[in-house]
Amino acid sequence: EAGVTQFPSHSVIEKGQTVTLRCDPISGHDNLYWYRRVMGKEIKFLLHFVKESKQDESGMPNNRFLAERTGGTYSTLKVQPAELEDSGVYFCASSQQPNTGELFFGEGSRLTVL
Amino acid sequence: GIQVEQSPPDLILQEGANSTLRCNFSDSVNNLQWFHQNPWGQLINLFYIPSGTKQNGRLSATTVATERYSLLYISSSQTTDSGVYFCAAINSGNTPLVFGKGTRLSVIA
Repeated sequence: EAGVTQFPSHSVIEKGQTVTLRCDPISGHDNLYWYRRVMGKEIKFLLHFVKESKQDESGMPNNRFLAERTGGTYSTLKVQPAELEDSGVYFCASSQQPNTGELFFGEGSRLTVL
Repeated sequence: GIQVEQSPPDLILQEGANSTLRCNFSDSVNNLQWFHQNPWGQLINLFYIPSGTKQNGRLSATTVATERYSLLYISSSQTTDSGVYFCAAINSGNTPLVFGKGTRLSVIA
């Protein structure tokens, strides 16, 4: 069974440009989460989808970040326009149960904003 | 929300040595997980262990839920074990997984 996959593994963009990160959860997992680790700090929660609906988006830092999960399958996280402080690693996770069962994380997408 | 604290913050080991990493949490948990972020930034799932003991090769973990701590043991450490080890926990169904600040491990040859 395939795990959580994320694309791209690494993206380098200029400040002001747009980047879209993609996450494919484990098949059958209704719950999908985005987290990020910036500037060597802690890993922080961004948002939680249940199928195509946003269950909790309390961690989204500002309106430059837009997450979607059309059809309840894969998800995208768009950063527009990117700023220097957005550099870091963005992780996606999925689970069968909402927050109580194991969360399976992808390896992450590293974003470098120059 | 739940607080997750990890110790030590940094650890340097000689290759072949053993180590114990600790994770304390402030409330009862129904999910506790350990992860390894390697030097390339990739996050590797290690253990899902809200209670009890598990082993996977040179790694093992124990969670004593009643005393609110979990331990990650690394035996016969290798340079490839270097990176940051994170503990994360949830204490209720409607809150997100909360990560500790991590333990940065450096294994030197």
